[in-house]
Amino acid sequence: GENVGLHLPTLSVQEGDNSIINCAYSNSASDYFIWYKQESGKGPQFIIDIRSNMDKRQGQRVTVLLNKTVKHLSLQIAATQPGDSAVYFCAELTDSWGKLQFGAGTQVVVTP
Amino acid sequence: SAVISQKPSRDICQRGTSLTIQCQVDSQVTMMFWYRQQPGQSLTLIATANQGSEATYESGFVIDKFPISRPNLTFSTLTVSNMSPEDSSIYLCSVGTDRGTEAFFGQGTRLTVV
Repeated sequence: GENVGLHLPTLSVQEGDNSIINCAYSNSASDYFIWYKQESGKGPQFIIDIRSNMDKRQGQRVTVLLNKTVKHLSLQIAATQPGDSAVYFCAELTDSWGKLQFGAGTQVVVTP
Repeated sequence: SAVISQKPSRDICQRGTSLTIQCQVDSQVTMMFWYRQQPGQSLTLIATANQGSEATYESGFVIDKFPISRPNLTFSTLTVSNMSPEDSSIYLCSVGTDRGTEAFFGQGTRLTVV
């Protein structure tokens, strides 16, 4: 279903600090999750993914944690930079072809 | 990865008119997806486009309002018909890999209806 019209929650982070973005997902049977970054005027850009047989995955400066018990995902960004300012979405795969259910999104604002 | 190009990137349209958005992929893909992103909100799936068959629409979206074409494995169009200001959104095209992972997005079409 559609998200009802609310403004995106905002996370304000000081440059150099770590960011933690949280997301709840809906389907306990989902087995693949993606975090996307969306900058103004652009489409979502893949950041990192995780399968349900893992509880943690690390990339460059980013870590995704998955807690299947409470259906919760988090994205951790280390040493946040001004270029990290964007909206971040979690998404769960709902079929085997790439169809996604998106979370509400979080606006990250990096302050100097 | 897949490179996805959408046209137009933005448009301002009069209410009551229709706009067709094009999505071109640089490789053959089985499924293409169309999403809508209303201002300040997340992405919502409109429909799944499979080549050679009619698109499958999600709840709340109908073919008369959002007709979709999928003439081949690298191209799809979405038409927003009889537009009203409530249709002002970003419309995004997406493709998944054959393994259903890492869905890639075009840059989106920002539509404003006046």
